[in-house]
Amino acid sequence: NAGVIQTPRHKVTGKGQEATLWCEPISGHSAVFWYRQTIVQGLEFLTYFRNQAPIDDSGMPKERFSAQMPNQSHSTLKIQSTQPQDSAVYLCASSLGDWVEQYFGPGTRLTVL
Amino acid sequence: GEKVEQHESTLSVREGDSAVINCTYTDTASSYFPWYKQEAGKSLHFVIDIRSNVDRKQSQRLIVLLDKKAKRFSLHITATQPEDSAIYFCAASGGTQVVGQLTFGRGTRLQVYA
Repeated sequence: NAGVIQTPRHKVTGKGQEATLWCEPISGHSAVFWYRQTIVQGLEFLTYFRNQAPIDDSGMPKERFSAQMPNQSHSTLKIQSTQPQDSAVYLCASSLGDWVEQYFGPGTRLTVL
Repeated sequence: GEKVEQHESTLSVREGDSAVINCTYTDTASSYFPWYKQEAGKSLHFVIDIRSNVDRKQSQRLIVLLDKKAKRFSLHITATQPEDSAIYFCAASGGTQVVGQLTFGRGTRLQVYA
């Protein structure tokens, strides 16, 4: 079991460009979470899928962020018109359900210049 | 929404001593409290959790205590070893949240010295 896979590990974009981050959850896990980690804000919840269906995106900045899970083997987080304040480590986690251990991927470090 | 406060930002203990990290939460209905460890340059790794139906849980050298009245939970690491050095995050979930997303504390950097 390779664990949660995230690609790319590092991404550098220019201000205003688009960034797409990929996550492959652990096979058999029905829950997929996206979090963001920064020094200033700490760890913040962004969005959640259960059995591929979007359940809660209350943590997502509404205008430029979107997430999808087109099949059970991957989820994407897309940031349009990236801004310097979007620079962060974006973490994907999967679990067998709610309120159980979440397995985190290695993260994608996004740097917006 | 839920807020989790982690009281110690840094903690330094001698090898072999115990370390205690304290967290408080605001949502009375929260029911699931995991702890995660983050080593330098790495992602989060689950270490232990506790649910609101118990007030103590132990896994080897790790003990978690939960005081629901005070809305407080703590991680005790006994007989600390150098490899325990890392950032530890407490988190809370359940309660008024619809699903299982975690609300994290700001982290405690634990340094175990010889």
